[in-house]
Amino acid sequence: QQQVKQSPQSLIVQKGGISIINCAYENTAFDYFPWYQQFPGKGPALLIAIRPDVSEKKEGRFTISFNKSAKQFSLHIMDSQPGDSATYFCAALYSSASKIIFGSGTRLSIRP
Amino acid sequence: DGGITQSPKYLFRKEGQNVTLSCEQNLNHDAMYWYRQDPGQGLRLIYYSQIVNDFQKGDIAEGYSVSREKKESFPLTVTSAQKNPTAFYLCASRPSAGGSYEQYFGPGTRLTVT
Repeated sequence: QQQVKQSPQSLIVQKGGISIINCAYENTAFDYFPWYQQFPGKGPALLIAIRPDVSEKKEGRFTISFNKSAKQFSLHIMDSQPGDSATYFCAALYSSASKIIFGSGTRLSIRP
Repeated sequence: DGGITQSPKYLFRKEGQNVTLSCEQNLNHDAMYWYRQDPGQGLRLIYYSQIVNDFQKGDIAEGYSVSREKKESFPLTVTSAQKNPTAFYLCASRPSAGGSYEQYFGPGTRLTVT
């Protein structure tokens, strides 16, 4: 119930392509779904987040698509660049919760 | 500059020694967290604290201890009882455990025990 399942574990995309990372959850009480980006040797940083009352949120080249009925959400990186190479974590939480539930992470590599 | 400071960035210890990792935040956040990250792995929660003088075990608390005597500080001690202490340790904070969603991470401490 508290898990967030993330796939794929690793992903290689050509420069200029679209990177897609998927996550699924079970707990319908979750009401906030952030994505974190982590570069090697650094702490994760919040990239973009969505609430379940919207189906899509876009910030620059990064878009979250949210499917409430399927309990799935995904991160799309358009026009992927080598600088996007990092590990991405999806997460879920509800406002009164003390803990954020993280997915297992996706290592993204963008080939030049 | 507001943020989370973890020191040192790299830490080396001999097996059998306890070691304390520092985490300080000047964001005035109530909640603080410690995570462990192994190579190519996700984030595993060690301990968290919602208010001063109170903390709870996370998913992998065995072999670790924490204290929360001040709002801005949440040090983590890796004891000799931790069987595989070599890892990347991340501290995080959040304005409050309930009612606020944003969680911010520090830069991490890489601990190597030989």
